[in-house]
Amino acid sequence: QKEVEQNSGPLSVPEGAIASLNCTYSDRGSQSFFWYRQYSGKSPELIMFIYSNGDKEDGRFTAQLNKASQYVSLLIRDSQPSDSATYLCAVNFRDMRFGAGTRLTVKP
Amino acid sequence: EAQVTQNPRYLITVTGKKLTVTCSQNMNHEYMSWYRQDPGLGLRQIYYSMNVEVTDKGDVPEGYKVSRKEKRNFPLILESPSPNQTSLYFCASSLSRGNTEAFFGQGTRLTVV
Repeated sequence: QKEVEQNSGPLSVPEGAIASLNCTYSDRGSQSFFWYRQYSGKSPELIMFIYSNGDKEDGRFTAQLNKASQYVSLLIRDSQPSDSATYLCAVNFRDMRFGAGTRLTVKP
Repeated sequence: EAQVTQNPRYLITVTGKKLTVTCSQNMNHEYMSWYRQDPGLGLRQIYYSMNVEVTDKGDVPEGYKVSRKEKRNFPLILESPSPNQTSLYFCASSLSRGNTEAFFGQGTRLTVV
């Protein structure tokens, strides 16, 4: 079992819709959770981090964490074509572990 | 401007010819690491360093070396590159090993023929 699993996609949503990206992790001791966005050929950049169970909102982005289910998600409201990218879930216990990423396409 | 700088951005080399990819950060971060990114496999850690003169293997260290003689620099060395090391490489730095944001360099696309 991979340590951090994401659906590779591609996930396609129309402009203005909600995009839902999901991630599961295997290490119950994981303490911090990150979402990075990576445009094609570019380096990953941090969108959000979450440490506690529940929801954390930042503008159009909401991260959701459920440690009991070992599940973390990212919701993007009012999706824009500029949100089209690969989204990497990262989980930190002793070291940062990355999922393979979900490719999101927002169609105008 | 806070940044992680990698060089070169693109490199094509031949099997067996030693090469070094440089990485430098200006944020006074203690923790630095190298990743390679391959399609379908995501980011895999090659080596990391918790401070000057302290380095350790990540998940895929075979065929790579690193050094950390100064806090800001963390070069990646391929003594004898092979075609299976063709990949996209990222250097990253963070304040500490756990629970903190990683800042990534621009990436180095390496092709070994």
